Amino acid sequence: AQKITQTQPGMFVQEKEAVTLDCTYDTSDPSYGLFWYKQPSSGEMIFLIYQGSYDQQNATEGRYSLNFQKARKSANLVISASQLGDSAMYFCAILSPNTGNQFYFGTGTSLTVIP
Amino acid sequence: DAGVIQSPRHEVTEMGQEVTLRCKPISGHDYLFWYRQTMMRGLELLIYFNNNVPIDDSGMPEDRFSAKMPNASFSTLKIQPSEPRDSAVYFCASSFDRGTYNEKLFFGSGTQLSVL
Repeated sequence: AQKITQTQPGMFVQEKEAVTLDCTYDTSDPSYGLFWYKQPSSGEMIFLIYQGSYDQQNATEGRYSLNFQKARKSANLVISASQLGDSAMYFCAILSPNTGNQFYFGTGTSLTVIP
Repeated sequence: DAGVIQSPRHEVTEMGQEVTLRCKPISGHDYLFWYRQTMMRGLELLIYFNNNVPIDDSGMPEDRFSAKMPNASFSTLKIQPSEPRDSAVYFCASSFDRGTYNEKLFFGSGTQLSVL
């Protein structure tokens, strides 16, 4: 079975600083995808970034990047130059084709950006 | 595309009443998922469909919960009778099936259910 672990229930960061949100996963599948979603206080789930297990380079999307360490089974999200609007819950998820397209989500990390 | 559309956005009902949540997935998507989110349990997968066929309903908490997908553009999640502990945000989500692992999940805005 797939498993996602997010060990930081809450994080604080100063505005304009960078922050890393941790995500580790457990899978026996050779092929899988890792996703990060943001959930602001308004409640919607917003896709941020994706990393494939065979991708050679770490994924980047604007201020978001993934620190992907396959051997350690970690896919940490790095947010650079934090903004007040980054305050939200962040969820890591894993998908592999061997699980019938079922996404497994972590418990999330609450990020608060301090002005 | 309008995205995944859920209705209603908010539902307040009394214990014992029937509740029906509705979802329209993104056109062309093959998978449809129903999730429930609470503070205590986080994001839980209730059931998901592939090409309108239920694949895994092991997350459905009780027989009071049922879900249907009569066609590719519509799904319902029904709770009958509802109980206060069913109060949560219910999300519908959809995705493509290309047999790969890079198809992201698109979420609806969710239904905030309060059972009094």
